[in-house]
Amino acid sequence: GESVGLHLPTLSVQEGDNSIINCAYSNSASDYFIWYKQESGKGPQFIIDIRSNMDKRQGQRVTVLLNKTVKHLSLQIAATQPGDSAVYFCAETSRAAGNKLTFGGGTRVLVKP
Amino acid sequence: GAVVSQHPSWVICKSGTSVKIECRSLDFQATTMFWYRQFPKQSLMLMATSNEGSKATYEQGVEKDKFLINHASLTLSTLTVTSAHPEDSSFYICSASPPGTENIQYFGAGTRLSVL
Repeated sequence: GESVGLHLPTLSVQEGDNSIINCAYSNSASDYFIWYKQESGKGPQFIIDIRSNMDKRQGQRVTVLLNKTVKHLSLQIAATQPGDSAVYFCAETSRAAGNKLTFGGGTRVLVKP
Repeated sequence: GAVVSQHPSWVICKSGTSVKIECRSLDFQATTMFWYRQFPKQSLMLMATSNEGSKATYEQGVEKDKFLINHASLTLSTLTVTSAHPEDSSFYICSASPPGTENIQYFGAGTRLSVL
């Protein structure tokens, strides 16, 4: 079936450096792609989303890039901080699928002081 | 805005008993809510879509008689795990979307269920 997956399960990054988290997806019919951050024992927190007709979107310290040609999604975090340590999930959704989310496997980001 | 509240945050129960988990949208109305299950170090798996005023839609492989969902109002959905067994121990999370932003789901804090 359709799925959303990640290349790297764990990412260690030095505080202050930039982080890049990658995600591959297979459903070309998806309308939106979303990045969530999940801290231990908590529910996922919305970070940023991008429509399928866009290739880049920026937020506060975060940038999401979408490459539909190779079905690749990435999240860039600038000047990574200790509070950014968490598991990051990409997810895809479509109106045709009733706006149900399909989650990727997750990447754990560890920020070293 | 877009706050989803879940209760309880942690519950321990004996095998064979039932447990009810509540999901509330605090500052918006939600005709649809979603229930997920998450095992340690794994991703979220959608269990069912809760529809206000009608039956829930369950994903393949999810037992509807075991995981009872009731969406009685526009701000409340409940998930009842009936006759719980140790294998039902998991992290259960709900989500909802404010009107006009159906592509973005906001999640509750989750409920940790431990069945002894």
